[in-house]
Amino acid sequence: SNSVKQTGQITVSEGASVTMNCTYTSTGYPTLFWYVEYPSKPLQLLQRETMENSKNFGGGNIKDKNSPIVKYSVQVSDSAVYYCLLGDCQRRRSNYQLIWGAGTKLIIKP
Amino acid sequence: KAGVTQTPRYLIKTRGQQVTLSCSPISGHRSVSWYQQTPGQGLQFLFEYFSETQRNKGNFPGRFSGRQFSNSRSEMNVSTLELGDSALYLCASSWATSYEQYFGPGTRLTVT
Repeated sequence: SNSVKQTGQITVSEGASVTMNCTYTSTGYPTLFWYVEYPSKPLQLLQRETMENSKNFGGGNIKDKNSPIVKYSVQVSDSAVYYCLLGDCQRRRSNYQLIWGAGTKLIIKP
Repeated sequence: KAGVTQTPRYLIKTRGQQVTLSCSPISGHRSVSWYQQTPGQGLQFLFEYFSETQRNKGNFPGRFSGRQFSNSRSEMNVSTLELGDSALYLCASSWATSYEQYFGPGTRLTVT
């Protein structure tokens, strides 16, 4: 079945680069979304990666594939929770599933 | 373009009562999804409506229900409230299920 896994928490110092992983399993045709939640602000879309735009995507039965997001030269203001969302299209059943990761809490130390 | 709006923003109810939350999506969006967010469980999907029909449903008890109107506005109802229902309830709208979602600020529900 479809699933999404994310690292729980990452702490780095200001100016560093950080990679946040999103490991997913997809039985259909996947699209990955990254959302960020800043304190007391609504969730907002960071990026979307669709099968058509990514040479790494195939059709069906993708297991434990990682699609990370990388942030360079992070600032304290980048501290937030980053969520990965898998959109999985089951074309035979005309069904579309949305599976959220638990989120990665990114803490940037000054 | 106005964003997703949710009303009320804060709500305090007692156990056993019922509550109705409202969500107005971005103009033109026909898909509305509801989520429950708690510190312990994170973001959990409740259900999604598209053109007045429930399209997807998460693993929540039948006490949680929703509906969508012809103008795409949506309501979520929780009956027989329990202490564990205390959470931030988020609404998100999108043009269609497979498109990016835009989130509202949420309704903070406290059950005492």
